[in-house]
Amino acid sequence: GQQLNQSPQSMFIQEGEDVSMNCTSSSIFNTWLWYKQDPGEGPVLLIALYKAGELTSNGRLTAQFGITRKDSFLNISASIPSDVGIYFCAGRGFSGNTGKLIFGQGTTLQVKP
Amino acid sequence: DAGITQSPRHKVTETGTPVTLRCHQTENHRYMYWYRQDPGHGLRLIHYSYGVKDTDKGEVSDGYSVSRSKTEDFLLTLESATSSQTSVYFCAISMTPGQGPQTNYGYTFGSGTRLTVV
Repeated sequence: GQQLNQSPQSMFIQEGEDVSMNCTSSSIFNTWLWYKQDPGEGPVLLIALYKAGELTSNGRLTAQFGITRKDSFLNISASIPSDVGIYFCAGRGFSGNTGKLIFGQGTTLQVKP
Repeated sequence: DAGITQSPRHKVTETGTPVTLRCHQTENHRYMYWYRQDPGHGLRLIHYSYGVKDTDKGEVSDGYSVSRSKTEDFLLTLESATSSQTSVYFCAISMTPGQGPQTNYGYTFGSGTRLTVV
């Protein structure tokens, strides 16, 4: 089945630093999504990407849909303490029209003030 | 915020007992999903529904069953709870792909149910 590899698994950074995480897939996706999960809550959608090569920003967050359709990255610039949480990538393939997403394992981000 | 609620938020149960978790939505979305979240595994799909009484298995469906008798409710049942089913369970909803703007293709998640089987 389709799998997503998300890296790194965890990051511990200083406030103000930039962050980069990525996901790679064993197969082609037509949609890439990035979610953030705060402690004790469900994941919340940050950015959605629908075209190969697409680069989209949401405030300090920037994500790109890889040209090969098998990867995506998320960058966070000038991190702040409230960026702490788990970040998930998710992708949707071309298998039918069920809308099912496949999730990466998550990247746990900790920010030191 | 999307109207999706999960109940209960926390539950402790004994091994071998049946447990039912409820997901309720007020968005009239066609698709509903149940995931479990465990350290190192991310979010894994248990079951999903693509309409009333239409359900299908996900990647980790053994030991779980679901029912959807009306659009707004999706129930997850652990027939006989085991310690390996201790986890955080999330429900999610989504619009039908191909309808509506592309920004609606993502999932909206509930706040989760923390289940402990002792």
